[in-house]
Amino acid sequence: GENVEQHPSTLSVQEGDSAVIKCTYSDSASNYFPWYKQELGKGPQLIIDIRSNVGEKKDQRIAVTLNKTAKHFSLHITETQPEDSAVYFCAASKAGTGGTSYGKLTFGQGTILTVHP
Amino acid sequence: ETGVTQSPTHLIKTRGQQVTLRCSSQSGHNTVSWYQQALGQGPQFIFQYYREEENGRGNFPPRFSGLQFPNYSSELNVNALELDDSALYLCASRAQGTGNTIYFGEGSWLTVV
Repeated sequence: GENVEQHPSTLSVQEGDSAVIKCTYSDSASNYFPWYKQELGKGPQLIIDIRSNVGEKKDQRIAVTLNKTAKHFSLHITETQPEDSAVYFCAASKAGTGGTSYGKLTFGQGTILTVHP
Repeated sequence: ETGVTQSPTHLIKTRGQQVTLRCSSQSGHNTVSWYQQALGQGPQFIFQYYREEENGRGNFPPRFSGLQFPNYSSELNVNALELDDSALYLCASRAQGTGNTIYFGEGSWLTVV
């Protein structure tokens, strides 16, 4: 089955700096890669996702890059703010067509991001 | 706002008991999946339901079972609770035609003593 490795496990940055979190996956058939932010006591919140037909996607201060050949993808957060502090999870899945597409997400181990004011 | 609502938010059960957790999704979200998240770890896939039938299962024993109803609600049932079942249980839903975008609820914290 799919295996997702995420690094680093903890990341501490100063406000305004950039933060980068990296993930690798094992199943070359995976074609959907979301990133979730999880705050203490809450469920995971989708912040950005990328599909395998795209190499890069950006949404304001957040960007994700995907290298299918190397089977790795990364989350980039620029101009970090204290409210970005949370646990970030990458995930991978295979999305098919139609209603029976298999939506199982395999998650990485998470990165605790701390942004110091 | 994900449109995924879970209940209860917290509960405590005794080893050997049974528990039912509930989830309500947005209209049109016909795929629901359940995940278990132990403290300090990423969520682990339990199973998925589409049109009221299970169509995918992770490495969880049969005492973990589920139901999906026509009104976009679902249940996770766990029998013969064990101490290791203590975790955050997350419900996630997806609408047909949205690719694979999956939205999570806030979860139900289960403590088994």
